[in-house]
Amino acid sequence: DAGVTQSPTHLIKTRGQQVTLRCSPKSGHDTVSWYQQALGQGPQFIFQYYEEEERQRGNFPDRFSGHQFPNYSSELNVNALLLGDSALYLCASSLGGYSYEQYFGPGTRLTVT
Amino acid sequence: QKEVEQDPGPLSVPEGAIVSLNCTYSNSAFQYFMWYRQYSRKGPELLMYTYSSGNKEDGRFTAQVDKSSKYISLFIRDSQPSDSATYLCAMRENQGGKLIFGQGTELSVKP
Repeated sequence: DAGVTQSPTHLIKTRGQQVTLRCSPKSGHDTVSWYQQALGQGPQFIFQYYEEEERQRGNFPDRFSGHQFPNYSSELNVNALLLGDSALYLCASSLGGYSYEQYFGPGTRLTVT
Repeated sequence: QKEVEQDPGPLSVPEGAIVSLNCTYSNSAFQYFMWYRQYSRKGPELLMYTYSSGNKEDGRFTAQVDKSSKYISLFIRDSQPSDSATYLCAMRENQGGKLIFGQGTELSVKP
């Protein structure tokens, strides 16, 4: 049973560029949440997608956007990258829109130079 | 003030010790309380969850929630070197998918 997968593993971008991160949820899950984890900090909620719609959003600017596909996989897009966007981006999947049981992927390490 | 406060440590204990990890919070609407374990360069792994107040035990792990004090704890008995990781508390209101995490406590169990 495949768990949550994310790609790429690592990414280096320059300030001002745009980046797309990808996530495939755990088999049987239909909800995807994205979190940003800065070094030495806990994850911070970016947004959650359920039934291909953004269901809930955290305190992140509009530069952060996402999408969920009919197969439940998801993308996180970040425009106009800032140095402060350097972090581990985590995808979590769950079943149903409001499940507390969120299973995390290994993350994508983004470095902005 | 952060919604969830957690001492970042690091915490170093000898093998076999009892470990106590704690978080405090300010939002009285939190109803679900989780503990995650995160190994270096990995994603968080759900260890335990508790709904509302009370205790829950799973093997060597015990989670406690005291809503009146807005305080939650995770106890690890007979700690092992393999328990060395960062432990994150997380909380959620009754509705919504947003988890609020603490900063994480780095634990090292020495053989």
